[in-house]
Amino acid sequence: RKEVEQDPGPFNVPEGATVAFNCTYSNSASQSFFWYRQDCRKEPKLLMSVYSSGNEDGRFTAQLNRASQYISLLIRDSKLSDSATYLCVVNMLGNTPLVFGKGTRLSVIA
Amino acid sequence: NAGVTQTPKFRVLKTGQSMTLLCAQDMNHEYMYWYRQDPGMGLRLIHYSVGEGTTAKGEVPDGYNVSRLKKQNFLLGLESAAPSQTSVYFCASSYSGAEDTQYFGPGTRLTVL
Repeated sequence: RKEVEQDPGPFNVPEGATVAFNCTYSNSASQSFFWYRQDCRKEPKLLMSVYSSGNEDGRFTAQLNRASQYISLLIRDSKLSDSATYLCVVNMLGNTPLVFGKGTRLSVIA
Repeated sequence: NAGVTQTPKFRVLKTGQSMTLLCAQDMNHEYMYWYRQDPGMGLRLIHYSVGEGTTAKGEVPDGYNVSRLKKQNFLLGLESAAPSQTSVYFCASSYSGAEDTQYFGPGTRLTVL
């Protein structure tokens, strides 16, 4: 099993739709989880951290399921500007560097 | 604050040539990282540093060397470039360790002919 796995997509959704991505991770001892966003030909930027209790930031909701070892990102009321690649990022163990998933591409269509 | 900057932005090399990529950050971050990003491969860690004067290997270190002589700078060197090193290189920094947000530079697009 790969360390961090994501469906590469693309997910093509109409404006206003709700879309969800999942990401699975291999190490049950992983402590920290994040979603980063990367626009085409740009650098990745932190979208949100993922807490055990789940967290919400506007239209974005992140959830962690430790039992099944996955994290999810839900985007409500999709905007054209949400079109990007979403990277799942996990801290595998202790103070080792973060591991990035290959990303899920989202295209929001007018 | 400029954040994380990278020079150069673009470069074309011939096989066997050498070059150094410079990353600079003005956020007083302890940790710095070099990644490469290739289509279908995602971000892969080349080397990283947990503080001035320290370096460590990442997932794909072969063919690269790094130095962190000053806290704000992290240099990535290619001693003898190969076409397989054609990629987009991103530098990142974070205040502390793995739980901290990484801030990325704009990237360097390198082509090796």
